[in-house]
Amino acid sequence: AQTVTQSQPEMSVQEAETVTLSCTYDTSESDYYLFWYKQPPSRQMILVIRQEAYKQQNATENRFSVNFQKAAKSFSLKISDSQLGDAAMYFCAYHTSGTYKYIFGTGTRLKVLA
Amino acid sequence: KAGVTQTPRYLIKTRGQQVTLSCSPISGHRSVSWYQQTPGQGLQFLFEYFSETQRNKGNFPGRFSGRQFSNSRSEMNVSTLELGDSALYLCASSLEGNIQYFGAGTRLSVL
Repeated sequence: AQTVTQSQPEMSVQEAETVTLSCTYDTSESDYYLFWYKQPPSRQMILVIRQEAYKQQNATENRFSVNFQKAAKSFSLKISDSQLGDAAMYFCAYHTSGTYKYIFGTGTRLKVLA
Repeated sequence: KAGVTQTPRYLIKTRGQQVTLSCSPISGHRSVSWYQQTPGQGLQFLFEYFSETQRNKGNFPGRFSGRQFSNSRSEMNVSTLELGDSALYLCASSLEGNIQYFGAGTRLSVL
């Protein structure tokens, strides 16, 4: 069965600094998608970044980038130039076509210190 | 374009009662998924619907059920509520693809 593990329940980062959130997953599939979602205190979950497993190039979205290591089944999120608005719960998620199911990790709470 | 709308935002029920939660997806989205979110457990998948058909179901007891209507709106029902059902219930919609868009959730408290 597929699983997603986020081993850091909580992380802190100083404003303007860089932080990396970790995520590992387990699957026997070769074609799948990985996501990072952000859930601010207002609760609305929003997509931060998406990675297709068949693409070797790491996805980037402005200050957010991933380090996708397919062989190691690792998918970390790097946030550069952290801002106060980045404070939120971050969830790593896995999806494979045909299962109609997304698997989420337990989340990492990110605190940004002024 | 309006986002995913969940109603109500808050609910307080007592043990043994039943509850129905509603989700209106983004216009044009035919896939709707439901999740239960509790502290420390992350998001647990409940079920997914597409064109009124349930395509997948998570490991929840039969007290949890859902349905989808022809306009893609979805409802989930929990019967015989237990204290452990207290949670944030999230709905997400997507096109036949893989990016999910979430609603703000319904906070259910069971007393």
